[in-house]
Amino acid sequence: DAGVTQSPTHLIKTRGQQVTLRCSPISGHKSVSWYQQVLGQGPQFIFQYYEKEERGRGNFPDRFSARQFPNYSSELNVNALLLGDSALYLCASSSLPGQRRETQYFGPGTRLLVL
Amino acid sequence: TQLLEQSPQFLSIQEGENLTVYCNSSSVFSSLQWYRQEPGEGPVLLVTVVTGGEVKKLKRLTFQFGDARKDSSLHITAAQPGDTGLYLCAGAPSGGSNYKLTFGKGTLLTVNP
Repeated sequence: DAGVTQSPTHLIKTRGQQVTLRCSPISGHKSVSWYQQVLGQGPQFIFQYYEKEERGRGNFPDRFSARQFPNYSSELNVNALLLGDSALYLCASSSLPGQRRETQYFGPGTRLLVL
Repeated sequence: TQLLEQSPQFLSIQEGENLTVYCNSSSVFSSLQWYRQEPGEGPVLLVTVVTGGEVKKLKRLTFQFGDARKDSSLHITAAQPGDTGLYLCAGAPSGGSNYKLTFGKGTLLTVNP
């Protein structure tokens, strides 16, 4: 079975530009989460979507937005890019949403470099 | 804000040695997960623990969740070079919103042959 897939794998942008990252969850998973991982740090929660609705949002500015499509894939958009947005962006899909044993399975990530 | 502190931050050992990595917080977690991450890849789930005092074994890896659900440890017996990687603990907050995982900064383990 295919795991979580993300595209593109790498991306280079300049300050002020906008970027869209894409994620396809594991088949049968209806929940998708986005995380930002800056070099040397653990991942930080950005959003979770479940059944196309935003379920939660982390401490990120409004420049970050996301959506989930009827097939449960998701896009993360970042506007007005800053140098500090350079990071590995991880997508995770989860089983058992809302339960204590909810487990998140991560994709390989999109490496974004902002120059 | 819930914080998870991992220690040590870096660990370099010889093949065959044992090691323990710690994950501590002042907050109570509904569950705690351990991941291993290779360079340039996403974290891979190793285990999820939900019950205070729970111990889980995965071959040479032993995971323990503290009785108060505030801390956890990962013990590796007879480490091998294939164990090299970044070990991350992640906690789900108690009282709902268990999808909002809080990650520690990780322990970078190097096992030398």
